[in-house]
Amino acid sequence: DAGVTQSPTHLIKTRGQHVTLRCSPISGHKSVSWYQQVLGQGPQFIFQYYEKEERGRGNFPDRFSARQFPNYSSELNVNALLLGDSALYLCASNFRPGSGYTFGSGTRLTVV
Amino acid sequence: RKEVEQDPGPFNVPEGATVAFNCTYSNSASQSFFWYRQDCRKEPKLLMSVYSSGNEDGRFTAQLNRASQYISLLIRDSKLSDSATYLCVVNRGPLNTGFQKLVFGTGTRLLVSP
Repeated sequence: DAGVTQSPTHLIKTRGQHVTLRCSPISGHKSVSWYQQVLGQGPQFIFQYYEKEERGRGNFPDRFSARQFPNYSSELNVNALLLGDSALYLCASNFRPGSGYTFGSGTRLTVV
Repeated sequence: RKEVEQDPGPFNVPEGATVAFNCTYSNSASQSFFWYRQDCRKEPKLLMSVYSSGNEDGRFTAQLNRASQYISLLIRDSKLSDSATYLCVVNRGPLNTGFQKLVFGTGTRLLVSP
């Protein structure tokens, strides 16, 4: 079975640009979450989607948005990129509420 | 104060040693608890869930004390391959709305040497 897949794996963008990150959850998983991890810190919660509805949002500016599609895949969009948005962006999915999440290998975003 | 607190380490131990990590969390509404392992520049991987009754998986034992809001991980007979960062994770859900949010500690780095 395929795990959580994310694309692209690496990305370099310029300040002010827009980026779209993509995630496909494990088959059968209906909950998808996005996390941002900067060096030396644990991942920080950005969004959670369950059954195609946004269920939670972390403390991130409105430049960050996301959506979940009918096939449960998800996109994270970031507008007006700042240098501080440089991080590893992780997508995670789980089968049922309360179970552990499986993470994708992440998208490493560098903003220059 | 961070919601999930861990000693960042590093813990330097020889092969075969027993090592224990501790973690405290501040939100008493937290619903479920996990330890994740993260290798350098890789994604976190679920090591084990943590239950009040304590649970064991091979050389790894995890324990939860809800009254003290304290989580522990014990690794016996350390292997070189155990070298990694261990993340203490609290799930603030699930709520009946379907909301779930993992809150991570900053991680404890373990270095196992020959």
